[in-house]
Amino acid sequence: DSGVTQTPKHLITATGQRVTLRCSPRSGDLSVYWYQQSLDQGLQFLIQYYNGEERAKGNILERFSAQQFPDLHSELNLSSLELGDSALYFCASSVDLIPSSPLHFGNGTRLTVT
Amino acid sequence: DQQVKQNSPSLSVQEGRISILNCDYTNSMFDYFLWYKKYPAEGPTFLISISSIKDKNEDGRFTVFLNKSAKHLSLHIVPSQPGDSAVYFCAASAQGGTSYGKLTFGQGTILTVHP
Repeated sequence: DSGVTQTPKHLITATGQRVTLRCSPRSGDLSVYWYQQSLDQGLQFLIQYYNGEERAKGNILERFSAQQFPDLHSELNLSSLELGDSALYFCASSVDLIPSSPLHFGNGTRLTVT
Repeated sequence: DQQVKQNSPSLSVQEGRISILNCDYTNSMFDYFLWYKKYPAEGPTFLISISSIKDKNEDGRFTVFLNKSAKHLSLHIVPSQPGDSAVYFCAASAQGGTSYGKLTFGQGTILTVHP
C-alpha cells in the first residue's frame, strides 16, 4: 500500500461529459503529480502541484484542469470528454521536490469514455 | 518527442538467470534516473535509482548501471524470480527549473520470469 488513495477506481461516462478524479496523497507529502497512461503508452506527465501551488505542466489539454486544496488532496477535472481520453489516470505524491525522493503512486482511476 | 525510450516491449527469462532491461534517453539535462515496477491493477512502485554522478547503484538483487556518454541505463536483476514478473518503467528527472521533481517515463518493458 503506497498510502496514496485515488477515487473512484473505475469511471464510465459518455462523450461530452465532465468528470472529477480525486487523489489523497501520502500523509506528510506536499507534492502531487498527475499522470495519464493510455493503451500501450508510458506514463505521460500532466501536471504537478506543490503545497497548493502549480509547479509544472506537461501535456495537459486545455479541457483538463487540476487543483490542490489546503488539505493537500488534489482533483483532476476532465471536461468535454472524447473517446481518446479513455485511459488510466495515476496520481503520485512525494514529500518534496528533490528527485531522490521517490514518487509514490496510487492505484489509478480507469476512465472509459463511450 | 520520446525523451526516454525502452525499445524492448517485452523480455522473457528463466528463473535464476539474469534479467537485463534497457533504457535510452535523449535529454542531456536529465541527471537522476529511476526504475519503477508495476503489477496489474496497481500503481507503479519505486525500485531503485541512480544519480548522474554515479555509474552503478546496487540494492540486493537489483543493480542499475548508467552510461552517460551513451545516454543509456540498464537494470540487472540477478537471480530473477517469478515474482519479478511485472512491467518495468525507466524514468528520468532534471534538477532545477520549473520541472523540478517531475519524472519522464519510458513506455515500459514487460518482464516474464518462467519457473
